[in-house]
Amino acid sequence: KAGVTQTPRYLIKTRGQQVTLSCSPISGHRSVSWYQQTPGQGLQFLFEYFSETQRNKGNFPGRFSGRQFSNSRSEMNVSTLELGDSALYLCASSLRQGPVGETQYFGPGTRLLVL
Amino acid sequence: LAKTTQPISMDSYEGQEVNITCSHNNIATNDYITWYQQFPSQGPRFIIQGYKTKVTNEVASLFIPADRKSSTLSLPRVSLSDTAVYYCLVAKGNTGKLIFGQGTTLQVKP
Repeated sequence: KAGVTQTPRYLIKTRGQQVTLSCSPISGHRSVSWYQQTPGQGLQFLFEYFSETQRNKGNFPGRFSGRQFSNSRSEMNVSTLELGDSALYLCASSLRQGPVGETQYFGPGTRLLVL
Repeated sequence: LAKTTQPISMDSYEGQEVNITCSHNNIATNDYITWYQQFPSQGPRFIIQGYKTKVTNEVASLFIPADRKSSTLSLPRVSLSDTAVYYCLVAKGNTGKLIFGQGTTLQVKP
């Protein structure tokens, strides 16, 4: 079974631009969560989608948004990019909502560099 | 959400057993304890999850005392490839929101 895939793997943008990242969960998984990882802040939760609905949201500004499609694929959008948005963006999927008894499988991440 | 505290770093040698302890004093009744492993430039990988007492799988054991205020991840006979960051998380049921702490950087030496 294929793992979680994220595209693109690497991305360079300039301040003020917007970016869309894509995540394809493991086949059959319906929950997708997004995380941001930086050296200074570590791994931080962005949001979680289940059945096309946002179920949980972390403490990030409204510039960060996401959505989930009927096939469970998810996209994350960051508008008006700032230098501090440079990070590794990770997507994780699980069969059902929640980590209890459910392993969250992480993708390889998209490394975003904002210049 | 319960905060976790774990050592920033640990050193070990190949073949040794490594125990990483995590403190989670404010754990709630329906919280589960989960450990992840992360290699540089890769996403975290699930290692083990438990609620109480002892859980064992093919790669690790998780020991949780009765009060559940701490937990210990045990890695038997580590190898160089076990060098990674290990995260202890406490998560409630039915939420996909995982709160990662600083993690423990384990360095395995030959």
